[in-house]
Amino acid sequence: NAGVMQNPRHLVRRRGQEARLRCSPMKGHSHVYWYRQLPEEGLKFMVYLQKENIIDESGMPKERFSAEFPKEGPSILRIQQVVRGDSAAYFCASSLNSDQPQHFGDGTRLSIL
Amino acid sequence: GESVGLHLPTLSVQEGDNSIINCAYSNSASDYFIWYKQESGKGPQFIIDIRSNMDKRQGQRVTVLLNKTVKHLSLQIAATQPGDSAVYFCADNARGNKLVFGAGTILRVKS
Repeated sequence: NAGVMQNPRHLVRRRGQEARLRCSPMKGHSHVYWYRQLPEEGLKFMVYLQKENIIDESGMPKERFSAEFPKEGPSILRIQQVVRGDSAAYFCASSLNSDQPQHFGDGTRLSIL
Repeated sequence: GESVGLHLPTLSVQEGDNSIINCAYSNSASDYFIWYKQESGKGPQFIIDIRSNMDKRQGQRVTVLLNKTVKHLSLQIAATQPGDSAVYFCADNARGNKLVFGAGTILRVKS
């Protein structure tokens, strides 16, 4: 009964390093979404991907952030040259198709030293 | 601008009572709404959804009501239990596939 799997659960990086966050969608789901959550706030949309395609990246900063969802393997959210302001919980969701509910993983908590 | 917001940041209820969590949205184009429950250290858990062609939808112990006239939806939890304690978010699809989340309501259940 595998739901959306994210790893690592916790990630610590120093300023200037790279962070790579992984997300395996639910079985059969080909739509993946990444959201970011700051403490005591709601989730904010970052990017929406289908297999090998970025559909909407309007919520993702233009610099340092990138996302991919290759034909094989998990979706990756990559943050280059991290800064303190990147500290947050990053959640991945998947859906069967675009008008079905999005189901979330338990997130990656990114801390920047 | 479009927004999804909650009227009450914290709701305390007695175990066994019914809970009502409210949410307002501003975009008339929103046609799909979801309620999520988030426990500490976990991701949002899908509770129930409703589309704009419906006014009410029921699940197990939960009911969502949608009032399109005043752009308001609510989540009703019957016979609230300690395990219901969490943060509850409403979300809508005002931006297509991108869900717009409200700030959240903390539900505290007193035994």
